[in-house]
Amino acid sequence: QQPVQSPQAVILREGEDAVINCSSSKALYSVHWYRQKHGEAPVFLMILLKGGEQKGHDKISASFNEKKQQSSLYLTASQLSYSGTYFCGTVPTANTDKLIFGTGTRLQVFP
Amino acid sequence: EADIYQTPRYLVIGTGKKITLECSQTMGHDKMYWYQQDPGMELHLIHYSYGVNSTEKGDLSSESTVSRIRTEHFPLTLESARPSHTSQYLCAIRTGLGYTFGSGTRLTVV
Repeated sequence: QQPVQSPQAVILREGEDAVINCSSSKALYSVHWYRQKHGEAPVFLMILLKGGEQKGHDKISASFNEKKQQSSLYLTASQLSYSGTYFCGTVPTANTDKLIFGTGTRLQVFP
Repeated sequence: EADIYQTPRYLVIGTGKKITLECSQTMGHDKMYWYQQDPGMELHLIHYSYGVNSTEKGDLSSESTVSRIRTEHFPLTLESARPSHTSQYLCAIRTGLGYTFGSGTRLTVV
């Protein structure tokens, strides 16, 4: 079953923060995050494995709570280049590599 | 860095025609995937392969078929294209921890 993301859309001014949530009805082994700009292919941002770790690079980080079957992506001090659609992708067990993508969150950053 | 190539980038074709979308990679990765994405919508897995002569259907039912005769190539075929097949088709490989996607084929069936 497809993970549900919230919110569906976010509008920000440069420098503002945002949180994107990804929720699954199934148990999760790992969560991926991708960003897709208009007319381009999705680009891998990061992966979080079972263990509740938080990862990040630059001003984008994420957390994973496997008990709640949820992951959140945190964008701080947003830049114009952050604009795009963000997708989470979930993997239910360690025995599979099939990535099921979430419903997507459209993020627009304005000057 | 892994390279993955998809051709054609855009394709407009008439109903009933047979089409093959090409996907190739240069690094010898075993795991390859096909996703279908309508404009502004989420990605749906339609086929995947874990190696030569290994292909499986994904979670979204598709009338397309795939083959994996060589590690480098994972073509997708539609025997008889219909307007309902109009969509973007994205090929991906598993590279390390994440997926790397090709630039996609935007298919329009008229």
